Amino acid sequence: DAGITQSPRHKVTETGTPVTLRCHQTENHRYMYWYRQDPGHGLRLIHYSYGVKDTDKGEVSDGYSVSRSKTEDFLLTLESATSSQTSVYFCAISEFPGTDDRTEAFFGQGTRLTVV
Amino acid sequence: GQQLNQSPQSMFIQEGEDVSMNCTSSSIFNTWLWYKQDPGEGPVLLIALYKAGELTSNGRLTAQFGITRKDSFLNISASIPSDVGIYFCAGQLSSGTYKYIFGTGTRLKVLA
Repeated sequence: DAGITQSPRHKVTETGTPVTLRCHQTENHRYMYWYRQDPGHGLRLIHYSYGVKDTDKGEVSDGYSVSRSKTEDFLLTLESATSSQTSVYFCAISEFPGTDDRTEAFFGQGTRLTVV
Repeated sequence: GQQLNQSPQSMFIQEGEDVSMNCTSSSIFNTWLWYKQDPGEGPVLLIALYKAGELTSNGRLTAQFGITRKDSFLNISASIPSDVGIYFCAGQLSSGTYKYIFGTGTRLKVLA
């Protein structure tokens, strides 16, 4: 299993409060991603990072921010949590491909967030 | 947002039957990945495909990268109860951004 740890694994928070989820990897992979998973929608990309301090938005980035100050850590912050952000959040990592341009994404165990 | 069309959404099959599912898109992909997700867990990579027309097996699983690079197929032969779960396809766009776009998943239930 890829060395990916998400914390916390479960969290209940109140509407309007800020929340930070952490993804920690021990693989030294360059790319890190945050996805959310909701019934009927599969996995949707929130933000991703292609290096330290280098991040970009995914398809559902509104209401979320990210930071990557070290290769191993990628933080997802919900600036002011809303009920629509109740979801399961997954972190993924992938390595910069070699000359064969082959790479895969590996996932963490997920964080179940409930906003009440 | 961009998403892959994955079908079927769900299927109930008898143990021992073969299973087929597919993903299609209007975009061209550089890589196709297939994952399985068990309840309460993260997706686990099953098969990775990198070339148009490529056919790759992993035990009872076989996946193919479509010739047009816009689709991919996953087959499971002789299904067993532990095949139960949600199967996702994912495509990596050819733009070099290394973003992965996911299908909506196929929920597989195997009846013993």
